[in-house]
Amino acid sequence: DAKTTQPPSMDCAEGRAANLPCNHSTISGNEYVYWYRQIHSQGPQYIIHGLKNNETNEMASLIITEDRKSSTLILPHATLRDTAVYYCIVRTQNAGNMLTFGGGTRLMVKP
Amino acid sequence: GAVVSQHPSWVICKSGTSVKIECRSLDFQATTMFWYRQFPKQSLMLMATSNEGSKATYEQGVEKDKFLINHASLTLSTLTVTSAHPEDSSFYICSARDRDRGYEKLFFGSGTQLSVL
Repeated sequence: DAKTTQPPSMDCAEGRAANLPCNHSTISGNEYVYWYRQIHSQGPQYIIHGLKNNETNEMASLIITEDRKSSTLILPHATLRDTAVYYCIVRTQNAGNMLTFGGGTRLMVKP
Repeated sequence: GAVVSQHPSWVICKSGTSVKIECRSLDFQATTMFWYRQFPKQSLMLMATSNEGSKATYEQGVEKDKFLINHASLTLSTLTVTSAHPEDSSFYICSARDRDRGYEKLFFGSGTQLSVL
């Protein structure tokens, strides 16, 4: 699976949009971009995933650049409960394919 | 979304004893489950892949005789840490794939904090 690069930490004011970048310049054509987050001492939680098109769900929006070499996860109105480590992962959807976690971005939402 | 239940959420044991951690998929059938380990302030590291009815596949450097994995049914996988030592103290997390949803998403348990004295 292609590797990803994320900033180690970010701050965001409560109520503002949190924009978390991810670089995946070596992504291949059949690899999807996944985002998970991990709140302290809990298991990771699925947020969103996409292949080429931008995606939106009740949690977040995912913006993927046209060349697919980078993406941005957007939390439109961050709350204190969004404080977590956010992982950007690229993977194929093959049968035996697990998730390989990098360092992630530690997002701190501040009042 | 699909629910993965992991038990216990934390355990303290003496050095040399064995500890079993259970991972259950509550509302779906999981043909494949993954076991991860996470040390403080580090990312999740995959330990092994468990397929229902067959032997687990371990990642390089993970001792299969120390970390016994059993996936006897489509809803239950167990990880047993045998003869635990203080260096085995870690956060253990299981993950399961919903068979009927294909390979799209993986769902995670809430994790087990193991402390070996």
